[in-house]
Amino acid sequence: EVQLVESGGGLVQPGRSLRLSCAASGFTFDDYAMHWVRQVPGRGLEWVSGISWDSYEALFGDSVKGRFTISRDNAKNSLYLQLNSLTTEDTAIYYCAKGYAVRPGNSRPIDFWGQGTLVTVSS
Amino acid sequence: QSVLTQPPSVSAAPGQTVTISCSGSSSNIGHNYVSWYQQLPGTAPKLLIYDNDRRPSGIPDRFSGSKSGTSATLGITGLQTGDEADYYCGTWDSSLSAVVFGGGTKLTVL
Repeated sequence: EVQLVESGGGLVQPGRSLRLSCAASGFTFDDYAMHWVRQVPGRGLEWVSGISWDSYEALFGDSVKGRFTISRDNAKNSLYLQLNSLTTEDTAIYYCAKGYAVRPGNSRPIDFWGQGTLVTVSS
Repeated sequence: QSVLTQPPSVSAAPGQTVTISCSGSSSNIGHNYVSWYQQLPGTAPKLLIYDNDRRPSGIPDRFSGSKSGTSATLGITGLQTGDEADYYCGTWDSSLSAVVFGGGTKLTVL
């Protein structure tokens, strides 16, 4: 059974940084691209970032480009998202999600999602 | 403002059939596969349909997908109260180089 467990969310002040982690199990982690998708409570889904199986390709949504960094450690079956220069607009639930393909830049689906971790940016 | 356009809400009675539309452009739906996701209240999204019309293992055949040109449609037959959820379409946008989603459609089973 695929399991994705996020951690690292919390309350952070504007301008500060935060690092989210995702522990994956139940599948061969280094065979698939991984993604981060966020959702403001009560609002729609917004894709944040995706990374290829080998970390060679990393893609970002326009709203986070230059501020967020995605990385993975295949030896630890873990995915990370470094959030820098946070603003109140970044307040959302952040979902770790598994891609169907090896690379993130295509229309293959996101086929499994974690339960999410809430990031609140407020002074 | 989402790249893909969905109706905010749809409703139907138990046992009836409902369709949810998703409209895009040539840079997204027009040249890429479409997926559909179901998000039950208080839970994470779940993949319902991928590659326009394929169902993952465990998804009942009451759920179907189709695509024509720059639009896609999710169909649900034999509606059940447990189908009440938000439904999102998603695909890759070749111009934006990004995964894009619709704004979501809230399904109410009256």
